[in-house]
Amino acid sequence: KAGVTQTPRYLIKTRGQQVTLSCSPISGHRSVSWYQQTPGQGLQFLFEYFSETQRNKGNFPGRFSGRQFSNSRSEMNVSTLELGDSALYLCASSLDLLGYTFGSGTRLTVV
Amino acid sequence: DAKTTQPNSMESNEEEPVHLPCNHSTISGTDYIHWYRQLPSQGPEYVIHGLTSNVNNRMASLAIAEDRKSSTLILHRATLRDAAVYYCILRGYNNNDMRFGAGTRLTVKP
Repeated sequence: KAGVTQTPRYLIKTRGQQVTLSCSPISGHRSVSWYQQTPGQGLQFLFEYFSETQRNKGNFPGRFSGRQFSNSRSEMNVSTLELGDSALYLCASSLDLLGYTFGSGTRLTVV
Repeated sequence: DAKTTQPNSMESNEEEPVHLPCNHSTISGTDYIHWYRQLPSQGPEYVIHGLTSNVNNRMASLAIAEDRKSSTLILHRATLRDAAVYYCILRGYNNNDMRFGAGTRLTVKP
């Protein structure tokens, strides 16, 4: 079966712009979580969605937002990009909330 | 949030067993212990999880201390492909976010 698909794989944006990243979970998985990974901070939890509702949110500013659609696909948006937002953004989906399957991530570079 | 403590790095020889420790002294009764690993240039990969009893699957074994304040991930025969960063994570029963620590970087020597 298809894994978690994240698009695009790579992205270069300019400071001040906004960006939208997409995540298609494994078919049947209703929970989708987002993480940011940087060399300095490691893996940090952004937010988690289940059945179109945000259930948990990490300690990130309001510039980071997300949503989930009725087909469980999810998007995250970062507005007013800063250089420090350069990172690998990972999406994970889960069927039973015990084991998560991660995508390969979107590498965002802000210049 | 309950936290975990892992060694920064470990080394192993190929085809030998590897024991990766994790301390979680503030674990609560409903926290699950999860292990994930991240190979270079990939997203994290689920390895195993447990609550109280030891667990085995095709990838590894998880040994949980009787007081649940520590656990050990056991790779029975390390291969070069097992070289990765291994994360030990606690997840509450009703808490669906996983807080990753720095993990243990495992190096496997041929």
